[in-house]
Amino acid sequence: DAGITQSPRHKVTETGTPVTLRCHQTENHRYMYWYRQDPGHGLRLIHYSYGVKDTDKGEVSDGYSVSRSKTEDFLLTLESATSSQTSVYFCAIIGTNNEQFFGPGTRLTVL
Amino acid sequence: RKEVEQDPGPFNVPEGATVAFNCTYSNSASQSFFWYRQDCRKEPKLLMSVYSSGNEDGRFTAQLNRASQYISLLIRDSKLSDSATYLCVVTIAGGADGLTFGKGTHLIIQP
Repeated sequence: DAGITQSPRHKVTETGTPVTLRCHQTENHRYMYWYRQDPGHGLRLIHYSYGVKDTDKGEVSDGYSVSRSKTEDFLLTLESATSSQTSVYFCAIIGTNNEQFFGPGTRLTVL
Repeated sequence: RKEVEQDPGPFNVPEGATVAFNCTYSNSASQSFFWYRQDCRKEPKLLMSVYSSGNEDGRFTAQLNRASQYISLLIRDSKLSDSATYLCVVTIAGGADGLTFGKGTHLIIQP
């Protein structure tokens, strides 16, 4: 158990509304990641963080922003949600051998 | 462009049989290799890392062929509980900037 929690676990929202997803880890990991998983695409990296206030873009960062004000929390924000952002979102941390461990996921539906 | 290719399946295999999956990767600079298992509506979980010399963990054997740029997973004496999607994963340069996932191979073990 990598000590990663995500909240909320499920959310339904409407197009145009802001949404923030939270990832919380209890083991002081420096690196944290946000992925989305969609049928036919597999998991794709949205953003990642390599320390407090240090973030970088991944493969599919458009429409998303992130913040990391403290080590244990990594927030993913959809400023104005669109239906194309309906997905399952996973947070992850990196282990000692470059493997990653994932949180339980957030299932987001944008109507 | 980073790419990891897998046969999506499904592979329908009788219980007790041996099944093997291959995965090819396009970036010769890939450094770390993993197999993850993902159950329906759950997060990916690390099954095993893949080392150059090959490695075994119980009924599971993973091998890496750098010359041909593929990794393989062999499952012996398959169990009903092995039914899942198996994700091939590679990293570039230590993986701090995220993992690259294949889309997964769906395995169904039949009684």
